[in-house]
Amino acid sequence: NAGVMQNPRHLVRRRGQEARLRCSPMKGHSHVYWYRQLPEEGLKFMVYLQKENIIDESGMPKERFSAEFPKEGPSILRIQQVVRGDSAAYFCASSLGTAEAFFGQGTRLTVV
Amino acid sequence: DQQVKQNSPSLSVQEGRISILNCDYTNSMFDYFLWYKKYPAEGPTFLISISSIKDKNEDGRFTVFLNKSAKHLSLHIVPSQPGDSAVYFCAARTGTASKLTFGTGTRLQVTL
Repeated sequence: NAGVMQNPRHLVRRRGQEARLRCSPMKGHSHVYWYRQLPEEGLKFMVYLQKENIIDESGMPKERFSAEFPKEGPSILRIQQVVRGDSAAYFCASSLGTAEAFFGQGTRLTVV
Repeated sequence: DQQVKQNSPSLSVQEGRISILNCDYTNSMFDYFLWYKKYPAEGPTFLISISSIKDKNEDGRFTVFLNKSAKHLSLHIVPSQPGDSAVYFCAARTGTASKLTFGTGTRLQVTL
């Protein structure tokens, strides 16, 4: 679990600002997944990426949200013009593609 | 549309006894199932998994049972320990590397 690094752990943004969440996968993992957990709910899939490619974005809101996983560097989940409803814990997971996914500690986004 | 369901939001078990956590699913295309454990303010930790070609997988105190005809799986923890107190999520996927679909979780409390 400690192998997937997410930062920041906590992020506070005012309504209308942008939020950038970063995820460095475990060494050797090329598959990255982003999930969101709203209070008292389970984890909801958002997007699945491999290096430089979005494989499945069926869980991503159509507007304001975007994700990338560049050839070099961490995966980034970007939320533009945040609203109060975006407040949640955002978790990143990585895998080798054929086995279990391992999660990071999450980023807790609070929109004030 | 909740494809993975954990109908018991909470469970309390005495230390030393067996904990049984249940999970039902509706999508017959799911072919791999996983259990994760989550402490507050941390990311989910992988516990145990099972392929749809098996009906049982055991790892130490943890055993997962799969009943495909009933679309039901369960996690048995025996003996239960206070450190097992956490929220347990059932998850499922279709095919390798695809997204995980999570249940809403069961909060297990192991009492002394």
